[in-house]
Amino acid sequence: SQQGEEDPQALSIQEGENATMNCSYKTSINNLQWYRQNSGRGLVHLILIRSNEREKHSGRLRVTLDTSKKSSSLLITASRAADTASYFCATGPTGANSKLTFGKGITLSVRP
Amino acid sequence: DTAVSQTPKYLVTQMGNDKSIKCEQNLGHDTMYWYKQDSKKFLKIMFSYNNKELIINETVPNRFSPKSPDKAHLNLHINSLELGDSAVYFCASSQAGTSTGELFFGEGSRLTVL
Repeated sequence: SQQGEEDPQALSIQEGENATMNCSYKTSINNLQWYRQNSGRGLVHLILIRSNEREKHSGRLRVTLDTSKKSSSLLITASRAADTASYFCATGPTGANSKLTFGKGITLSVRP
Repeated sequence: DTAVSQTPKYLVTQMGNDKSIKCEQNLGHDTMYWYKQDSKKFLKIMFSYNNKELIINETVPNRFSPKSPDKAHLNLHINSLELGDSAVYFCASSQAGTSTGELFFGEGSRLTVL
């Protein structure tokens, strides 16, 4: 079964607003990553947060990780129309040769 | 310079045919992957190779056969194509192994089986 589950499944906001997306997972992890996929394109890595980190920033992105609740959130501040895309969380479980497992993704629409 | 390139971008073929997708990465990474994305955007790992050695082989029909001639290339051959094989297939690479480090994805190969 898949590891990460994002919510909401779809989010529609106005340009300039903040977008918050959540991810929950089930087992112990080494790290959690967020990816963006524009329509018809490949996935692009946004940010990686390790299991011993609680918060990480990259430009307009802020990621938090709560290992006690097995959850993460991705905040995009001051959204732009170009942020319209699908966003995926991916969890890297502990253990040798374990695999990065992706959630089903969140579709974000930013209205101009 | 394209970091992970896969060809072809689109394949349309009949059931029962055999097809191949090629992937090359110029990042110097040791590990390469094939992922399948279905129509609901669910992304599932199929195979992973580390320095030409198969390290992950998910429950994939043996009609799918990956081949890695060198660590910069990972190809996927599919025999006897079925309707359910229609999907977007992504190649990816990483430096640090399967559960750490970021993945670099190709643009995908959309396979349509008629």
